[in-house]
Amino acid sequence: DTGVSQNPRHKITKRGQNVTFRCDPISEHNRLYWYRQTLGQGPEFLTYFQNEAQLEKSRLLSDRFSAERPKGSFSTLEIQRTEQGDSAMYLCASSHPDSEKLFFGSGTQLSVL
Amino acid sequence: DAKTTQPNSMESNEEEPVHLPCNHSTISGTDYIHWYRQLPSQGPEYVIHGLTSNVNNRMASLAIAEDRKSSTLILHRATLRDAAVYYCILRGYSNSGYALNFGKGTSLLVTP
Repeated sequence: DTGVSQNPRHKITKRGQNVTFRCDPISEHNRLYWYRQTLGQGPEFLTYFQNEAQLEKSRLLSDRFSAERPKGSFSTLEIQRTEQGDSAMYLCASSHPDSEKLFFGSGTQLSVL
Repeated sequence: DAKTTQPNSMESNEEEPVHLPCNHSTISGTDYIHWYRQLPSQGPEYVIHGLTSNVNNRMASLAIAEDRKSSTLILHRATLRDAAVYYCILRGYSNSGYALNFGKGTSLLVTP
């Protein structure tokens, strides 16, 4: 078990481009969460999946953001028409159905130029 | 969600105990108290959680006030590797499953 894996670790893009991040949760973890973190702030909740169902989306998740979790395994987070304000660390976490602990990946650092 | 209040920063000497306070005066009876920490350039890491009774694990101890309006995370012997941002979070069940709402946390500096 290698923990929650996120790819890429870093992404630099130009404003207006689309980007996609991937998260591979710990096996047997049916819950998956996406968070966003900017410098000096704590992580902010974006969205939550239980298996393949997306059960909640934060108001922070504008219509330019979309997340999927096909087959309840890995998840992707796509940002369309990126803006400079999207620059942040995007964190993924997963949890086992019988546990309250969240396990976080190391995140994807997005820089929009 | 009920809110927590933590000092922005604290400093400790290596090998000394550290007491990180958290106030949560609006906590409800079903809210669990969670602590996570985040080392530089890493995602948050679970430390400990509890409901009413004090809790101990290999990483730390959690002391919960009798009225549950405050709690303290105790690191028994701080090491340089404990330098991190520590988040105190109240978790009540919602449609977000066990999603946690982080604040700004306490930045702990450990000096040799």
